[in-house]
Amino acid sequence: AQTVTQSQPEMSVQEAETVTLSCTYDTSESDYYLFWYKQPPSRQMILVIRQEAYKQQNATENRFSVNFQKAAKSFSLKISDSQLGDAAMYFCAYKIPSGNTPLVFGKGTRLSVIA
Amino acid sequence: DGGITQSPKYLFRKEGQNVTLSCEQNLNHDAMYWYRQDPGQGLRLIYYSQIVNDFQKGDIAEGYSVSREKKESFPLTVTSAQKNPTAFYLCASSEGHGRDYGYTFGSGTRLTVV
Repeated sequence: AQTVTQSQPEMSVQEAETVTLSCTYDTSESDYYLFWYKQPPSRQMILVIRQEAYKQQNATENRFSVNFQKAAKSFSLKISDSQLGDAAMYFCAYKIPSGNTPLVFGKGTRLSVIA
Repeated sequence: DGGITQSPKYLFRKEGQNVTLSCEQNLNHDAMYWYRQDPGQGLRLIYYSQIVNDFQKGDIAEGYSVSREKKESFPLTVTSAQKNPTAFYLCASSEGHGRDYGYTFGSGTRLTVV
């Protein structure tokens, strides 16, 4: 069974600085999708960024970028120029592309942003 | 606007009672999912449905039941057999075809046993 591991239960970053959240996963598949979701205090889940495993180029969305290392099965999220609104729980998730197979989530990393 | 609506936002259950959490979507998505969220546990899959009138158990289905009679609706019943039901419940949906954009989530239901 696929598993997703987020080894940092909590992280903190100074406003305007950069922080990297770690995620590793275990799979025997060669084709899959990886996601980072943000859950702010409102508890609404928001998709931050998405990576397709067959694409070697790392995905970026404004201040958010990933470092995707397929051989190492690593998918870290980098947040640049951190803002107070970035404070949230961040979940890494994995999915194989066949049909509607469910996402597998990590346990999350709580990010605090210090003014 | 299209989206997923979960209701109620807060729900209180007495010991021994069944309660039903509502999840409705107008996105025309084929698949729907229920997750349970506990502190430090991430999101754990309860049930999912890929098409109408069909659903599969997830990792923690014991004490829960679902139905999928309409494409738009996927209610979750928390039965009295669920020994520790206090948690935050999230419903989600996905297109199920073409490129995979992940899930659209509802805003959640907080269930508390009193």
